[in-house]
Amino acid sequence: GAGVSQSPSNKVTEKGKDVELRCDPISGHTALYWYRQSLGQGLEFLIYFQGNSAPDKSGLPSDRFSAERTGGSVSTLTIQRTQQEDSAVYLCASSLEGGNTGELFFGEGSRLTVL
Amino acid sequence: GENVEQHPSTLSVQEGDSAVIKCTYSDSASNYFPWYKQELGKRPQLIIDIRSNVGEKKDQRIAVTLNKTAKHFSLHITETQPEDSAVYFCAASWNEKLTFGTGTRLTIIP
Repeated sequence: GAGVSQSPSNKVTEKGKDVELRCDPISGHTALYWYRQSLGQGLEFLIYFQGNSAPDKSGLPSDRFSAERTGGSVSTLTIQRTQQEDSAVYLCASSLEGGNTGELFFGEGSRLTVL
Repeated sequence: GENVEQHPSTLSVQEGDSAVIKCTYSDSASNYFPWYKQELGKRPQLIIDIRSNVGEKKDQRIAVTLNKTAKHFSLHITETQPEDSAVYFCAASWNEKLTFGTGTRLTIIP
C-alpha cells in the first residue's frame, strides 16, 4: 500500500485479556516506531525497530508489553493482561532510515479501549 | 534520555495574526528537530524540520528557529488561517529515537 497500515482500527476488550496490534509499514522503510497517545496527551515513545532488531525498548511501560518485527516489515505490538490504563490510541510510524534523519510516516492508529 | 518540553499547551489567535510555539530539549547531542501537525481525528504529519547546523528555516507561512546554545527551538506561523487549527508537536532526535513534546492545541478564531 501507499501508506502505513494499522489494524484493527478499533479494539474493545475486557480487562485481563491479551490484545495484538498490527502495523504494516511503507515498503522499503527500515525504521519502525510505536507510540502511544492517550486522550488529549502527547506522543509517548514505546519502541523502535531498525530492521528486525529493537535497539531501543526503553519506552515499553511494563513487561506486559512486547513487540516484534519480522522480515523487516510487519510489526506486532502485544499487550498481555490488559488494564484500563492501557486504553489509548497506539500509533505506528515508519521511516526510510531512522528518526534522526527523516520524516516519520504515521498510520491512522489503533484505538484500544479496555473495559 | 531526551526530555522535550513544549509551551503553551493551548493557544488561540485571531485569524491573520501570528502564532508562536516554543520547545526546549535536554540532550545537547540531539541534532534533528521536526514539527508535526495533527488535525482532529487524523494522523500526525510532518510540516517542517530543522537540523542542528542551521539556525532558521522557512517554508511559506511557517518558520522554525533553533538556538543550540540555549537548547530551544520555536515554530512560527504567520498570517494564520482557519486550516491552521490543529495540535502541533515538536520533537527532538536523540540516539535514533524521536522524543515528542506534549503538544499545543492551536485554535484560529475567525
